[in-house]
Amino acid sequence: KQEVTQIPAALSVPEGENLVLNCSFTDSAIYNLQWFRQDPGKGLTSLLLIQSSQREQTSGRLNASLDKSSGRSTLYIAASQPGDSATYLCAVKFGGQFYFGTGTSLTVIP
Amino acid sequence: NAGVTQTPKFQVLKTGQSMTLQCAQDMNHEYMSWYRQDPGMGLRLIHYSVGAGITDQGEVPNGYNVSRSTTEDFPLRLLSAAPSQTSVYFCASSLTGTGHNEQFFGPGTRLTVL
Repeated sequence: KQEVTQIPAALSVPEGENLVLNCSFTDSAIYNLQWFRQDPGKGLTSLLLIQSSQREQTSGRLNASLDKSSGRSTLYIAASQPGDSATYLCAVKFGGQFYFGTGTSLTVIP
Repeated sequence: NAGVTQTPKFQVLKTGQSMTLQCAQDMNHEYMSWYRQDPGMGLRLIHYSVGAGITDQGEVPNGYNVSRSTTEDFPLRLLSAAPSQTSVYFCASSLTGTGHNEQFFGPGTRLTVL
């Protein structure tokens, strides 16, 4: 069975800081890894999808990397803004199913 | 495109009652799935479908039934609701079940079982 862990569970940073969120998984035989954002009381919004053959993906101020062999992914957020405050979730496609981490709750302080 | 839609947004049930959570997508996606989200446990897969007429169990299927008669719809049935099924339920879809497609999520249904 695949287990996905996200550390830290919560993070508070001042506006403008660059930050890194971590995601680790136990079985490296994944098809892909996807990062999501979830605002309170809302559904999940897809941020980035990294295929198993890729090393990284970029979208605006976001950059996600994938190291399958070590079972790790990082989400880098540049020049953080208060609007980035949300919970960030990672999920891996393993077998026929998706497995989620419990998320990192990010607060960006103005 | 409406994307993935879910109804109802909120529901309160009494123990033993049954109900169906509705999920629909208008993107012609083959793969659809249901998750529940509980505090401290992340999202857990209940059931999924790789196409019309095909369903399979996920990590936590007990107490739930699904069917997929059309590509667009994937309802989740609670046969006899229990307090342990109090949760937020999300439906998701992707173009196919292969590893190359991102998942899109609905807004969720918040269910309380008394």
